[in-house]
Amino acid sequence: DAKTTQPNSMESNEEEPVHLPCNHSTISGTDYIHWYRQLPSQGPEYVIHGLTSNVNNRMASLAIAEDRKSSTLILHRATLRDAAVYYCILRDLGSGNTGKLIFGQGTTLQVKP
Amino acid sequence: EAQVTQNPRYLITVTGKKLTVTCSQNMNHEYMSWYRQDPGLGLRQIYYSMNVEVTDKGDVPEGYKVSRKEKRNFPLILESPSPNQTSLYFCASSLSRGALQPQHFGDGTRLSIL
Repeated sequence: DAKTTQPNSMESNEEEPVHLPCNHSTISGTDYIHWYRQLPSQGPEYVIHGLTSNVNNRMASLAIAEDRKSSTLILHRATLRDAAVYYCILRDLGSGNTGKLIFGQGTTLQVKP
Repeated sequence: EAQVTQNPRYLITVTGKKLTVTCSQNMNHEYMSWYRQDPGLGLRQIYYSMNVEVTDKGDVPEGYKVSRKEKRNFPLILESPSPNQTSLYFCASSLSRGALQPQHFGDGTRLSIL
């Protein structure tokens, strides 16, 4: 399985944008880039996913490098509720996919008022 | 409201006393799975199920059993719990195992085995 690398922690101020980076230099052509987050005392929560093009939804934006070896999750205006551990996960579109999500250590985001 | 419901949320029990953690989803999802979360080890998959009566081992299945008799339910069974199964457990479900399908997680069950 292709590996992802994320910073252990990041800090942000409330109402400012946050850019959470993820490196995945060994990504294959059939790997989708997914982001999940885990709020304190809750289960992981799906945020967004993409393949090659940048993606936007109501929660965040995903910017994918042209060579696909890195991506950035963008929270446009961080709130205190966005304080969580953010996981960047690769998911293979291939037939061998068992549905398993491979969680690394993620990035712990702190949001300061 | 679409959700994955786990019960109990917390349980303290003793070694060897059989226990079952229930998981139920109301989204008509085919795929369900169980993870455990431990400090420094992250989330690891225990078992998964692609549909009714179809289950398979994940990365850490030892000491656990599952069953999938109905589409909505996927209980996790510890026949003879041991202290090394003290952990935070999450159930997840999705429409299918496909890479495009978001997975929905329950709020977790914290098990302490004494």
